[in-house]
Amino acid sequence: DAEITQSPRHKITETGRQVTLACHQTWNHNNMFWYRQDLGHGLRLIHYSYGVQDTNKGEVSDGYSVSRSNTEDLPLTLESAASSQTSVYFCASSESGQREQFFGPGTRLTVL
Amino acid sequence: AQTVTQSQPEMSVQEAETVTLSCTYDTSENNYYLFWYKQPPSRQMILVIRQEAYKQQNATENRFSVNFQKAAKSFSLKISDSQLGDTAMYFCAFMKHDRDDKIIFGKGTRLHILP
Repeated sequence: DAEITQSPRHKITETGRQVTLACHQTWNHNNMFWYRQDLGHGLRLIHYSYGVQDTNKGEVSDGYSVSRSNTEDLPLTLESAASSQTSVYFCASSESGQREQFFGPGTRLTVL
Repeated sequence: AQTVTQSQPEMSVQEAETVTLSCTYDTSENNYYLFWYKQPPSRQMILVIRQEAYKQQNATENRFSVNFQKAAKSFSLKISDSQLGDTAMYFCAFMKHDRDDKIIFGKGTRLHILP
C-alpha cells in the first residue's frame, strides 16, 4: 500500500545544531507540504513543493529550508536549531486537484 | 487572506450523545473546500469529512455530518451517537479552489468522550 513516512519519529537536539527531518511518500504525489503543530496554533505551513526542483515558503518558513530532488522525498532542514523550533512536525502530500492531503505520522522535535 | 476560527478550545460529552463542533472562516473566494480532520492521541491526522463550497447539500459520512452555511461562513461538525474512539483533537480547515492546494487550519477543538 502507498504511504507517507517520516523519520525520525522523535529527536532531541541542541541549540545551534543542524537537523534534517525526512519525509518519504510512495503515492507518487506531485505536492508535498511541511507543517508544524504547536499548542494553541493548530498546524502552520512551513514550506511546500509542487514538484521536483520546486519549493515555496509558507507561513512560518524562517529558519527552515527544503529541497525537492525527486518526487518521493521532501527533507526539512533546520539550519541552526532554536528552542522556538521545538514542535511536532508533519509532512503531507497530495495529488494536484485531488483536494485531499495525506499526512505522515509526525516527528516530535525537542531543541534543548 | 483566509482565516479559520474554532471558538471551542475544549469540549466534553457523554458517550452516545450528539456533539457539535463550531467553525467559522473568512474568505473572499467563492469556490473552495472545507474539511474536518481528526487527530487522535496517536497523533495521526485523519480526514473526517470534506465539503465543496459549490455544493448546497451538506456532506455526511456515517455518524459525522456538517452544517455548511455559506453566507454565514460557518462549517460545523456534528457527531452523532458519540463513541469513546471519537476522543481526539478536531481541526477545521480551508482550501481555495485553485492549483494552490494549500490548507489553512483552525487551532483545533479538543473533544473528550466520557464513558
